[in-house]
Amino acid sequence: QKEVEQNSGPLSVPEGAIASLNCTYSDRGSQSFFWYRQYSGKSPELIMSIYSNGDKEDGRFTAQLNKASQYVSLLIRDSQPSDSATYLCAAYQAGTALIFGKGTTLSVSS
Amino acid sequence: DTGVSQDPRHKITKRGQNVTFRCDPISEHNRLYWYRQTLGQGPEFLTYFQNEAQLEKSRLLSDRFSAERPKGSFSTLEIQRTEQGDSAMYLCASSFGVLADTQYFGPGTRLTVL
Repeated sequence: QKEVEQNSGPLSVPEGAIASLNCTYSDRGSQSFFWYRQYSGKSPELIMSIYSNGDKEDGRFTAQLNKASQYVSLLIRDSQPSDSATYLCAAYQAGTALIFGKGTTLSVSS
Repeated sequence: DTGVSQDPRHKITKRGQNVTFRCDPISEHNRLYWYRQTLGQGPEFLTYFQNEAQLEKSRLLSDRFSAERPKGSFSTLEIQRTEQGDSAMYLCASSFGVLADTQYFGPGTRLTVL
């Protein structure tokens, strides 16, 4: 069974802090990894993708991938109250669909 | 707005009724996916199409569920004889290209079965 695991949270950080979200995956055949943000009652919104080991930065977001440890993370710098949402980690293997974790709820307090 | 549209946005039905949802993907996207999401869970894969061909169906997709994508454009998902356990958000996503891994989601259809 292919699985993606995330801590459900909630993760609470003060405004301006760094939020760190983590995810592990079970299928070593997974080729690409995605972070989606989902506000309550809304659909998932793509934030970042990552394919290679190491870091990938996009604005205040940094995704990190370690295939040996089967570990993906998302760092959000200078967290804002508008970042409060559920963050979904997903893994993809060619010819299949995305496998999602249950999501981590982030709360940023002002 | 990702460019993926779904209709209706909300559907309330009585147990035993049939319902049909529609998804219009981004126009150049050749792949179309259906997912289901319940409260506190991540989206769960139901089925996907490459152009008009339905390539994979999850074991979650019982015989009461059927999906089509005629002419490789829009898709419909039909649920027959709805059950209360079918209450969920039904999400459509589309992607394109060889790897076709980057998926963009529509706004979803919220189904409530009374």
